[in-house]
Amino acid sequence: AQSVTQLDSHVSVSEGTPVLLRCNYSSSYSPSLFWYVQHPNKGLQLLLKYTSAATLVKGINGFEAEFKKSETSFHLTKPSAHMSDAAEYFCVVSGHDYKLSFGAGTTVTVRA
Amino acid sequence: DAGVTQSPTHLIKTRGQQVTLRCSPKSGHDTVSWYQQALGQGPQFIFQYYEEEERQRGNFPDRFSGHQFPNYSSELNVNALLLGDSALYLCASSFFVSNIAKWEGARTDEQFFGPGTRLTVL
Repeated sequence: AQSVTQLDSHVSVSEGTPVLLRCNYSSSYSPSLFWYVQHPNKGLQLLLKYTSAATLVKGINGFEAEFKKSETSFHLTKPSAHMSDAAEYFCVVSGHDYKLSFGAGTTVTVRA
Repeated sequence: DAGVTQSPTHLIKTRGQQVTLRCSPKSGHDTVSWYQQALGQGPQFIFQYYEEEERQRGNFPDRFSGHQFPNYSSELNVNALLLGDSALYLCASSFFVSNIAKWEGARTDEQFFGPGTRLTVL
């Protein structure tokens, strides 16, 4: 079985400052890890994915995440937040059974 | 490429009724998964269909059932609706990769999500 824990339910940042969203995972197998974003009244959009290749993964819109097996973490970062980054972010793990297990989500607020 | 489509976008039902939600996968995808997202929570896996059969199931009662058609589209049926079934129902499509390829690292289990169907049970 696999699961993820998002360590922050809400993150508030000023526009132009860095964003850090923390995620720890648990998996019996070598996992695939994803970050999805959900804007209000919109579907889920994939930001980036880790599938046992490079441990530093670059995604869309300037986001990146680093897979650290020793810490069982997959934190999401962005150097400079934009107002359009305000949304709900989900850390997701997939094991050998193909289903996705979502974290509870982190709400990002960007202050002007 | 149309991406994943779902219908209807919104639905209002009363307790005890039955509902059918529909999903068309992204072109080239053969696997459909369904998720329930209650307000303020992350999506929860309901089940997954491949080759017209249920391949995986989450912790949902038998009131939740599904079907996959030869063209890979899928339906989610919920019987005897409860107030707690009110949620956003998400469909996701993907391309199946065999376990052999998976263990060799050739996984492509990325799932593409549709916009969802908002179900309200009164």
